[in-house]
Order: sequence, then C-alpha cells, then structure tokens
Amino acid sequence: TQLLEQSPQFLSIQEGENLTVYCNSSSVFSSLQWYRQEPGEGPVLLVTVVTGGEVKKLKRLTFQFGDARKDSSLHITAAQPGDTGLYLCAGAEGSNYKLTFGKGTLLTVNP
Amino acid sequence: ETGVTQTPRHLVMGMTNKKSLKCEQHLGHNAMYWYKQSAKKPLELMFVYSLEERVENNSVPSRFSPECPNSSHLFLHLHTLQPEDSALYLCASSRRADINLKVGEKLFFGSGTQLSVL
Repeated sequence: TQLLEQSPQFLSIQEGENLTVYCNSSSVFSSLQWYRQEPGEGPVLLVTVVTGGEVKKLKRLTFQFGDARKDSSLHITAAQPGDTGLYLCAGAEGSNYKLTFGKGTLLTVNP
Repeated sequence: ETGVTQTPRHLVMGMTNKKSLKCEQHLGHNAMYWYKQSAKKPLELMFVYSLEERVENNSVPSRFSPECPNSSHLFLHLHTLQPEDSALYLCASSRRADINLKVGEKLFFGSGTQLSVL
C-alpha cells in the first residue's frame, strides 16, 4: 500500500500570510490530486498534476509535482479566511479509481 | 453543490440499531463509492460500484452492507456497529470506475453523513 505523508498536520496563520504544505511518498505516482474539504462538506478537487516537475496555478494557489513524481507541494499566497479547510492530497498508480489519500493538512486562516 | 446528495447529514445510533445511509447523484455517472473518514486517519475506500455491480470490497466488516439499485442511488446499510465505527461516511461518484486522472476525470463527493455510534 502506497502511503502519502502530509505536513504540517495543522497550520494556523493570519490573513495575508503565505504558506506551503507538503505531500510526500516513497512511491511513484502516475498522477496526484489536491482536494480542499471545508467544515461540514465533502472534498472538492482543486487540481490534478500528471507530469514530473509540473507547476499549476489556480489564482493564489500554486501546485508543484516533484520531478520524480513522489512528492508535491501547495503554496498559498496572501491567505484569506476563505482558504480555511482540510487540504488533502491523493495519488493514483496507473489509471484506476484506487486513489491513496493522505491524512491532510488542516489550515486555519484567522482574520 | 457537487451533484451528489447524502442523507441524513447526521446520525446517532446505538450498537443494536439498524440504519441506512443514502446517496444520490444527479450527474449521470456510472460509478459510485463509499469512503470512511475518521479523525487522524486518511480517507479509506470501502466499496466501489460500476453500473450497479460491486467491483471493490476493501476488506470491510459485514456489519456494513452496501446496495446499489441503479447507477444513481447507493445505500449503506448499518447493523450492530461498534463505537469505533463513528466517522464521517462520504459518498462519491465518477463518470466511470476506471477514472483516468490524466484526462481530468475526478471524484465528486457528497457532504457526508456524520455517524456517531453509542
């Protein structure tokens, strides 16, 4: 079973600060997804990265897939209270439904 | 609104009760899933259905019994649960079971049922 380690587990910051959260594995993934789960809701997909070294931007969010496709990072610029939530990474081996999820990083952005 | 609706949102039950969780998707998808989300643990895949046929049973105890009467509806029947089964149960759907993330396919999750077993 492939494992995804996410760090930090908890992060509490002030509005306007920048932050980076990480998703690491000893295994290679063919593709990796990031989800955000707001309190009381299910996870919602933010991005999928499929190529080693790939960088994708979604407004203030920047996602990077490691060259070896074993790790990924999510950087948020000028965080806002609306960014509060649980950020989950999920990796896929090949093309199938068996996504492996990390435990997530719980982000709180204080106004 | 993700197009996947779960009911009830909250459920408290005793260990001897029988209850059912319901999931309905309005997306025309052919695959549906049950996941368990516990505190301090990753999301755990429980069951996968493709065109009403179960294609995955991830070593889930028999006190959890899924049912998929059609491609739009999925149930999870609960019987004689244990306190450690308390968790958020999430339903998800996708266009097909062998989703290809590389072409942008993804899971659509419902809001979940927060289950407490006393």
